[in-house]
Amino acid sequence: GEDVEQSLFLSVREGDSSVINCTYTDSSSTYLYWYKQEPGAGLQLLTYIFSNMDMKQDQRLTVLLNKKDKHLSLRIADTQTGDSAIYFCAENPGGYNKLIFGAGTRLAVHP
Amino acid sequence: GAGVSQSPSNKVTEKGKDVELRCDPISGHTALYWYRQSLGQGPEFLIYFQGTGAADDSGLPNDRFFAVRPEGSVSTLKIQRTERGDSAVYLCASSLDHPTAQYFGPGTRLTVL
Repeated sequence: GEDVEQSLFLSVREGDSSVINCTYTDSSSTYLYWYKQEPGAGLQLLTYIFSNMDMKQDQRLTVLLNKKDKHLSLRIADTQTGDSAIYFCAENPGGYNKLIFGAGTRLAVHP
Repeated sequence: GAGVSQSPSNKVTEKGKDVELRCDPISGHTALYWYRQSLGQGPEFLIYFQGTGAADDSGLPNDRFFAVRPEGSVSTLKIQRTERGDSAVYLCASSLDHPTAQYFGPGTRLTVL
């Protein structure tokens, strides 16, 4: 079945790196996504990775994909208080347009 | 440029009433999606339009829910005879004609009393 799993909560100190993990189930997904949601706001697309890649870097963000284990991670370098939000992982099963989201990981950044 | 817009931002209705939620996608985006997000959950897919036609409506929970996109741009999600369990944030997204990047609007918070 379609299911995306994420840990619910992560707390980090400002300036440290954050690593948010996700496992997905559908090996036919062609893209894996990370979205950010701040309180009361919509979803902001952070980055996505094509399934035939194993790494993508975009400024402070690094995405790692282990297709064999169906494991995706998002690393945020030099985490700032403005990074405090809920982060959602998503896949597109079958390579189609419908996205399946995890329940989100709440990232709390403290001084 | 302008992003996805949705209206109203908040809607409070009474059980049994019908509601209509509007989505205005990014100009030039041919694909449009509706999702529903309940408290503490990730968005749940409802329906996807490619142009004017519903390409995938497998996420609509029952026949009280339907959506239209008559001219291939603005879409309306209609919920008939609302129930308290329909309370959620309804999100709209749009993309170019491939699944790489779906851009979301701010959502409509629906509360059914």
